[in-house]
Amino acid sequence: NAGVTQTPKFQVLKTGQSMTLQCAQDMNHNSMYWYRQDPGMGLRLIYYSASEGTTDKGEVPNGYNVSRLNKREFSLRLESAAPSQTSVYFCASGDPPVADTQYFGPGTRLTVL
Amino acid sequence: RKEVEQDPGPFNVPEGATVAFNCTYSNSASQSFFWYRQDCRKEPKLLMSVYSSGNEDGRFTAQLNRASQYISLLIRDSKLSDSATYLCAVIRTSGTYKYIFGTGTRLKVLA
Repeated sequence: NAGVTQTPKFQVLKTGQSMTLQCAQDMNHNSMYWYRQDPGMGLRLIYYSASEGTTDKGEVPNGYNVSRLNKREFSLRLESAAPSQTSVYFCASGDPPVADTQYFGPGTRLTVL
Repeated sequence: RKEVEQDPGPFNVPEGATVAFNCTYSNSASQSFFWYRQDCRKEPKLLMSVYSSGNEDGRFTAQLNRASQYISLLIRDSKLSDSATYLCAVIRTSGTYKYIFGTGTRLKVLA
């Protein structure tokens, strides 16, 4: 099983450019999450999707949009990238409350110049 | 004050030592507790869940103290391979289900 996959692994953008981070899971989980991780800040939830067809804002949603394309896929879009969005982005999936563990993808390292 | 707090460390310990980390949480509605391990430039991975009665997995022991609102992780006989950042995570279900991570405690095991 691949678990949670993310593409791309690395990306460099210029301020104002847009891009979409892709995430897919093959564990048949209902819930999917997007986090960003910055030094000293820990993992901060950007958006989550409790089930196919629903999305909700997390702690730091400004500047991002998401799409739950189907049960497997959950994408994160930066419409106009800013240097403050330089971070490592992790996608995760889980099946609360039945199974509380979150499974993470390998991450995308994004630099915005 | 953050809802879940950890000492960032680093904790530098010699091989074979015993080391313990605490993680405090402020919301009494927190219901489930976990320790994750994160290696440098990698994703977090579940190390162990923390049960009310405490639980042990080899050299690792996790405990929950609801009265004082903290969880702990004890690592015995530290190995070089234990060097990583240890994140605690808490789930609270007041209103909506919410998964909250601490910022992590960095451990370096020295030869």
